[in-house]
Amino acid sequence: GQNIDQPTEMTATEGAIVQINCTYQTSGFNGLFWYQQHAGEAPTFLSYNVLDGLEEKGRFSSFLSRSKGYSYLLLKELQMKDSASYLCAVIDSNYQLIWGAGTKLIIKP
Amino acid sequence: DAEITQSPRHKITETGRQVTLACHQTWNHNNMFWYRQDLGHGLRLIHYSYGVQDTNKGEVSDGYSVSRSNTEDLPLTLESAASSQTSVYFCASSEMQDSNTGELFFGEGSRLTVL
Repeated sequence: GQNIDQPTEMTATEGAIVQINCTYQTSGFNGLFWYQQHAGEAPTFLSYNVLDGLEEKGRFSSFLSRSKGYSYLLLKELQMKDSASYLCAVIDSNYQLIWGAGTKLIIKP
Repeated sequence: DAEITQSPRHKITETGRQVTLACHQTWNHNNMFWYRQDLGHGLRLIHYSYGVQDTNKGEVSDGYSVSRSNTEDLPLTLESAASSQTSVYFCASSEMQDSNTGELFFGEGSRLTVL
């Protein structure tokens, strides 16, 4: 079966750095998304990786290793507004999106 | 600005009733999707459409139906609501032609409670 694993919950301190991991076992791979979802709100797009390596976008970076079936989202200089759930999603060989259950990130002052 | 809107945002209904959740987008996207989101699960695809008159079943389509008569709207109908369909429903759209690979733009969600 197809599976995407993310930690259920993580806690970090304001101003610090946090890495949210995502491992996947899917039938093929055609790209990986990260979305942010604040409580009670819709998911919003953060990043898309299809090639190995690091993509940097301001305080957020996303890394992909296709050979290891692994990605991470790196958040720097954490702010209280970064408290949210972070969703990992993989496009499989049939071009269907497979979603992880999400990681709830709690930021403490 | 272009947007995607859902209505109603909150709905309480009884088992066995028919319910329709509306989704309207002004992005002029061909692709539209309906997901449900439940605690402990990732977003699960219910139905999707790649254009007018096109509809496809997702992984959890039983008990749901959609129709696509124009580009802007993809209403989701629960023919006979069941308690297992209590959930938060998200509509989304994307511009990538005939594919799930594009960035998704989500509506604000519709919280449905079936008593």
